[in-house]
Amino acid sequence: GAVVSQHPSRVICKSGTSVKIECRSLDFQATTMFWYRQFPKQSLMLMATSNEGSKATYEQGVEKDKFLINHASLTLSTLTVTSAHPEDSSFYICSAVSGTGSSYEQYFGPGTRLTVT
Amino acid sequence: QQQVKQSPQSLIVQKGGISIINCAYENTAFDYFPWYQQFPGKGPALLIAIRPDVSEKKEGRFTISFNKSAKQFSLHIMDSQPGDSATYFCAASTEGSQGNLIFGKGTKLSVKP
Repeated sequence: GAVVSQHPSRVICKSGTSVKIECRSLDFQATTMFWYRQFPKQSLMLMATSNEGSKATYEQGVEKDKFLINHASLTLSTLTVTSAHPEDSSFYICSAVSGTGSSYEQYFGPGTRLTVT
Repeated sequence: QQQVKQSPQSLIVQKGGISIINCAYENTAFDYFPWYQQFPGKGPALLIAIRPDVSEKKEGRFTISFNKSAKQFSLHIMDSQPGDSATYFCAASTEGSQGNLIFGKGTKLSVKP
């Protein structure tokens, strides 16, 4: 199956700093990528939809100025958490859509564990 | 109406037994229903998915049963193994497999040897 990578896998940062998380589709081009957030022992919550070459679409309640998303190429989307605070500590997971015609599947990255101290 | 309700929250099954996880939805516009398996600290991995034009899909030990009139779908894991111990999520989308997914709350499965 298609492979999606994320970097870094873990990051610890101080409150007030910004952190960038990369999501790459390694063996396919993805016009659409999604960013999810998962708190411990909870489900995945969609944060935003990232489309190559256009602005991301954010879900209700997600601050677009705090969670900056850039989908600069067909294989890379980045999520920047700006002015991070302890409540932003979470597991961030991206997914990318792979396929052609009428057959598509969504593949998830391994996730990035963010801890804000 | 966008919710997907998943049960049970946790499940303990003996090795070789059948694990059954259920999901229900309200939005009749959902047209894609995947199941994901997630191990601790890892991203979800697609197990199997179904579209509403079929009532059942089987891949190896994993089967999805889909009841369109009841707006329910379930995952059956046959011959459950300790390696199947993980958290399972059902999900649904209104835009096929290209759309954003609405996830159930997850079921933690433990398969005892």
